[in-house]
Amino acid sequence: GAGVSQSPRYKVAKRGQDVALRCDPISGHVSLFWYQQALGQGPEFLTYFQNEAQLDKSGLPSDRFFAERPEGSVSTLKIQRTQQEDSAVYLCASSYDRNTDTQYFGPGTRLTVL
Amino acid sequence: DQQVKQNSPSLSVQEGRISILNCDYTNSMFDYFLWYKKYPAEGPTFLISISSIKDKNEDGRFTVFLNKSAKHLSLHIVPSQPGDSAVYFCAGNTPLVFGKGTRLSVIA
Repeated sequence: GAGVSQSPRYKVAKRGQDVALRCDPISGHVSLFWYQQALGQGPEFLTYFQNEAQLDKSGLPSDRFFAERPEGSVSTLKIQRTQQEDSAVYLCASSYDRNTDTQYFGPGTRLTVL
Repeated sequence: DQQVKQNSPSLSVQEGRISILNCDYTNSMFDYFLWYKKYPAEGPTFLISISSIKDKNEDGRFTVFLNKSAKHLSLHIVPSQPGDSAVYFCAGNTPLVFGKGTRLSVIA
């Protein structure tokens, strides 16, 4: 497909378990962003990549959160030792160039930590 | 500190009438503002944007107005259609900082 895809769409984890969330951006898009959306809130910025370089990770809530984009296309957001407060929808977005400001979002991964 | 505020969690409008969604911001450094629309179980979809040097941008049924002195922007949808029913997020950049959203219901 032509859009941003994310997998899995839904993930249930037991507290303490590690999870990995995948994002496939639109082909050719240089910039990739991760957001966390809690229930009833707007998406909140987590981290930003330009190609394979992680240029901004100021939004990552703790050192349990780690993101990578090793080849400048697919990205993985990893959460170690999940906690209940990590339950949220994790959204990935990509844009052709950061300065265009039009980010295209994937459908998100809903993470539930029991 | 909420940099972008959408104070109305919900809005109901009759089909054919105008929908006005409001947004206030505190960060004077934003140089672009965007509106996104979100349906359940889908990611946000870009709707319309406005540069901070403009005061109006129009695209079909959608118009965004920016009042920099009041740090306020609004999205006007006219005429409203049932398919417009969704959650609308206002955002400033960069990086994107979103408001909490307003749920619009257009009643046929």
